Amino acid sequence: KAGVTQTPRYLIKTRGQQVTLSCSPISGHRSVSWYQQTPGQGLQFLFEYFSETQRNKGNFPGRFSGRQFSNSRSEMNVSTLELGDSALYLCASSLAGLAGPSNEQFFGPGTRLTVL
Amino acid sequence: GENVGLHLPTLSVQEGDNSIINCAYSNSASDYFIWYKQESGKGPQFIIDIRSNMDKRQGQRVTVLLNKTVKHLSLQIAATQPGDSAVYFCAEITPPTDKLIFGTGTRLQVFP
Repeated sequence: KAGVTQTPRYLIKTRGQQVTLSCSPISGHRSVSWYQQTPGQGLQFLFEYFSETQRNKGNFPGRFSGRQFSNSRSEMNVSTLELGDSALYLCASSLAGLAGPSNEQFFGPGTRLTVL
Repeated sequence: GENVGLHLPTLSVQEGDNSIINCAYSNSASDYFIWYKQESGKGPQFIIDIRSNMDKRQGQRVTVLLNKTVKHLSLQIAATQPGDSAVYFCAEITPPTDKLIFGTGTRLQVFP
């Protein structure tokens, strides 16, 4: 079974631009969560999608948004990029999400975003 | 890796010894805890989890202990191997939000 895939793996953008990151979960998984990882803040939860609905949201500004499609693939969008948005963005999939009976999350390799 | 530059506590152990990684969690209402392992250049990997109605859970070579009185979580790795070298994160979930809150991480270094 293929693991979680994220595209692109690396991205360089400039301040003010917007970016879209993509995540394909493991087949059969309906929950996708997104995280931001930086040296200064560590791993921080962004949001979780389940069956095309945002179920949980972290403490990030509205510039960070996401969506999930009917095939469970998810995209994350960051608008008006700032230097501080430079980070490794990770997505994780699970069967039913953190609230479900089988909570194990499988992480993708991440997308490294650099904002210049 | 993403943790370069972050001052993480480091645990150095000799191959074959047992490792104990500790974590203090923040919210006494948290009811679900997970340990993750992150190797350089990779995403975190689920190791083991435990619910608040348990105080111990064992996996293959790993044991998680939960002390709710002092809000402390530990991960014990038996017969530590070089492949165990990584950064280890604990994470907690507090209902009803079900958001995953990560600790800062501990770097485990295994030397021969």
